[in-house]
Amino acid sequence: DIVMTQSPDSLAVSLGETATINCKSSQTVLKSSNNKNYLAWYQQKPGQPPKVLLHGASTRESGVPDRFSGSGSGTHFTLTISSLQAEDVAVYYCQQYYSTRYTFGQGTKLEIK
Amino acid sequence: QVQLVQSGAEVKKPGSSVKVSCKVSGGTLRSYEISWVRQAPGQGLEWMGGIIPLFGTTTYAQKFQGRVTISADESTSTAYMEVSSLTSEDTAVYYCARDDLDGYPHGWYFDLWGRGTLVTVSS
Repeated sequence: DIVMTQSPDSLAVSLGETATINCKSSQTVLKSSNNKNYLAWYQQKPGQPPKVLLHGASTRESGVPDRFSGSGSGTHFTLTISSLQAEDVAVYYCQQYYSTRYTFGQGTKLEIK
Repeated sequence: QVQLVQSGAEVKKPGSSVKVSCKVSGGTLRSYEISWVRQAPGQGLEWMGGIIPLFGTTTYAQKFQGRVTISADESTSTAYMEVSSLTSEDTAVYYCARDDLDGYPHGWYFDLWGRGTLVTVSS
């Protein structure tokens, strides 16, 4: 199975600043024939199911604020949250869907400093 | 709007089985894969397996192969997930999640989730 590893496990960022979360896959999730990365980012708030933020590594889901952005390709990816707001406090997960044996990163807990 | 409506919380004894349902309200199972993802208390997300009713195929995470059975009834637009030989380690919230078949034969991201079903395993 493809192992997804996130870093850091937790981070605290001041309001208005930028949060950066990294995700590494044990093998590529880039399909060369269409140049698409099969990588999604989710946000999960307490007591709620996860919500997709980005797919294809960098495509924002409809309704997601543009302060959420994604980058990377192949095996290394980054989720960037700029101008951090209080409502962004959550746990963030990356997930690969290159293999149909889907796997998630362990999660990164984002708090306000 | 389409929603995934899951069955209610369950309390089970160790060694027993539990079957959780996920009904597609306002939509159909066709053209989608339904996966099951669990989350133990204070822990991360763990994909268990999925079913593509259109093709009649199921895929399971190696960890759950043989102990988890995922099925679907297209006539009621309902997917099911049964876990047998329960232990306290299976205490978790179980989510169903939908993904499109756009990426077939690869997977796709989960664009719709149920609210979750808490399964508590306790003697």
